[in-house]
Amino acid sequence: AQSVTQLDSHVSVSEGTPVLLRCNYSSSYSPSLFWYVQHPNKGLQLLLKYTSAATLVKGINGFEAEFKKSETSFHLTKPSAHMSDAAEYFCVGNSGNTPLVFGKGTRLSVIA
Amino acid sequence: NAGVMQNPRHLVRRRGQEARLRCSPMKGHSHVYWYRQLPEEGLKFMVYLQKENIIDESGMPKERFSAEFPKEGPSILRIQQVVRGDSAAYFCASLGLAALNEQFFGPGTRLTVL
Repeated sequence: AQSVTQLDSHVSVSEGTPVLLRCNYSSSYSPSLFWYVQHPNKGLQLLLKYTSAATLVKGINGFEAEFKKSETSFHLTKPSAHMSDAAEYFCVGNSGNTPLVFGKGTRLSVIA
Repeated sequence: NAGVMQNPRHLVRRRGQEARLRCSPMKGHSHVYWYRQLPEEGLKFMVYLQKENIIDESGMPKERFSAEFPKEGPSILRIQQVVRGDSAAYFCASLGLAALNEQFFGPGTRLTVL
């Protein structure tokens, strides 16, 4: 069975400082991994996805994530936070066309 | 190419009424997934459908909930005799064969049960 664990329920950073949102996964087979962002009362937007190609994945809005098999991690990073990055972020996994398994989410706050 | 459409966006029902949520997948997509997001939680899988078939309903509550994806028309998630605990955001996602596992999400329907 696959599971995804987001290690922090809330992260707060100052504008212009780096962002790190942590995610670990467990899977008995090679997973596909995604990061989605959800702004208040909005739907989900895909930031980036890993599907067994390059381990460093670049996404939209300056975000990137690195798949580390040895650590079973897929942490999301951004060099410099912007106020508009404040949102809920979900680490998600699946394999093939199986249903997505969501982490519980990390709420990112950006302080001016 | 329109994205995944869901309607209504907001739905208010009184306890005991029925709620019908609709999802039109992206053009050319024949796989639909329904997820539920309770307040302050992540999304939880409910049901996976292809045209006219339920593939996986392991996340659906055993009673009051049903889903269909007919040959023509949108996918429907039906909740009978709603209770306050059904209040949540319901998202559908669609998948096409060439999408490399990426599911495209609709904007969601926010159900409030009074």
